[in-house]
Amino acid sequence: GAGVSQSPSNKVTEKGKDVELRCDPISGHTALYWYRQSLGQGLEFLIYFQGNSAPDKSGLPSDRFSAERTGGSVSTLTIQRTQQEDSAVYLCASSWGLAGGGSDTQYFGPGTRLTVL
Amino acid sequence: AQSVSQHNHHVILSEAASLELGCNYSYGGTVNLFWYVQYPGQHLQLLLKYFSGDPLVKGIKGFEAEFIKSKFSFNLRKPSVQWSDTAEYFCAVNSFGNEKLTFGTGTRLTIIP
Repeated sequence: GAGVSQSPSNKVTEKGKDVELRCDPISGHTALYWYRQSLGQGLEFLIYFQGNSAPDKSGLPSDRFSAERTGGSVSTLTIQRTQQEDSAVYLCASSWGLAGGGSDTQYFGPGTRLTVL
Repeated sequence: AQSVSQHNHHVILSEAASLELGCNYSYGGTVNLFWYVQYPGQHLQLLLKYFSGDPLVKGIKGFEAEFIKSKFSFNLRKPSVQWSDTAEYFCAVNSFGNEKLTFGTGTRLTIIP
């Protein structure tokens, strides 16, 4: 079956512009996660959606970052007024969200490489 | 806050050598532990995970990992590596009931034919 898909695969933008990154999770997965990977860093958690519950936004680095998930499926991560330090690979993952306890396997997409000039 | 340390940044081995990649975490409570792998040009994928039961966990492609609670470690092992194991390996942890993963910085493994 289809995996997690993300678009665009690459995005180059100018400092100060807004960008939107899209994630299509695996069909039926109720949980969706955003992470980012900066050069030389591990993956850093950004935000987590589970079903209709309020998202866990505890990893968002500033109020320039926001995300929404429409209809419990597709998610969009928006970065406003981009800065050079926002350059990174943004990864989306999804899981069934049924195991509880945090032991669900997260399935990752290919990522969006964002470059802010 | 949780943290994960992967002490080996780049490991180079010859085919058929044995592999052990270190992973230590900092969190005193109940944890779930994961190893993910990213092959060149591919997505991150799960190698194996531990959440309860036997602390020796077997995963795909002949990999295994042992959870040693007293050492806060979850080292990854493979008795005989192949060229196709060339990849980046990430250790990750979350606390029980908390879905968000904390990742280490990764270990790049290069296997020389």
